[in-house]
Amino acid sequence: QSVLTQPPSASGTPGQRVSISCSGSSSNIGSSTVNWFQHLPETAPKLLIYLTNQRPSGVPDRFSGSKSGTSASLAINGLQSEDEADYYCAAWDVSLHDYVFGTGTKVTVL
Amino acid sequence: QVQLQQSGPGLVKPSQTLSLACAISGDSVSSNRAAWNWIRQSPSRGLEWLGRTYYRSKWYYDYAVSVKSRISINPDTSKNQFSLHLNSVTPEDTAVYYCARDGGAAPDYFDYWGQGTLVTVSS
Repeated sequence: QSVLTQPPSASGTPGQRVSISCSGSSSNIGSSTVNWFQHLPETAPKLLIYLTNQRPSGVPDRFSGSKSGTSASLAINGLQSEDEADYYCAAWDVSLHDYVFGTGTKVTVL
Repeated sequence: QVQLQQSGPGLVKPSQTLSLACAISGDSVSSNRAAWNWIRQSPSRGLEWLGRTYYRSKWYYDYAVSVKSRISINPDTSKNQFSLHLNSVTPEDTAVYYCARDGGAAPDYFDYWGQGTLVTVSS
């Protein structure tokens, strides 16, 4: 049972802005940085955002991350068809001493 | 360029031990900067971190609470690889298993992943 809660789905038309929430607690998001991963079928997950709001080299700047208290968000500005994938937040939980993933959100491009 | 190549059986019987290996090229399992992780993905449980090993003058191991009593992750410096052993498996352990490097550029910076291995637990 994941300790980070995400909406199961989100959708938008090409060019729209989509936002995905990730709700946690004081022992994970509240006290750790947040990562976001993009998972396409038949491929390994890809690090999309690290340190809550930083993009690894090669990740388009239409992806952005933020955090407030015990919640985090991933925004996709200017949605593109290739963004259709599952997205997971993740953070270190200092109470569990576990690296915990969110429940995952499937993004559909309409 | 770092590459992680996974190997191991795709079918394991219930109550037996699941064993996978992850061969590293382009880095060292004994790196003082990286950490070596196992993560799995299943439709019912999503992504789940299982554990890691890393070397900082000595070897360290961290395991997820959910599997702590059944798991071991072992580095093999002679082969430059690390392995996952999960014992007493049940059908709930059916998943795609990934090895992944935390490159150390930032906390939990999972920058390189293995290709994934679908492991089915079934008699």
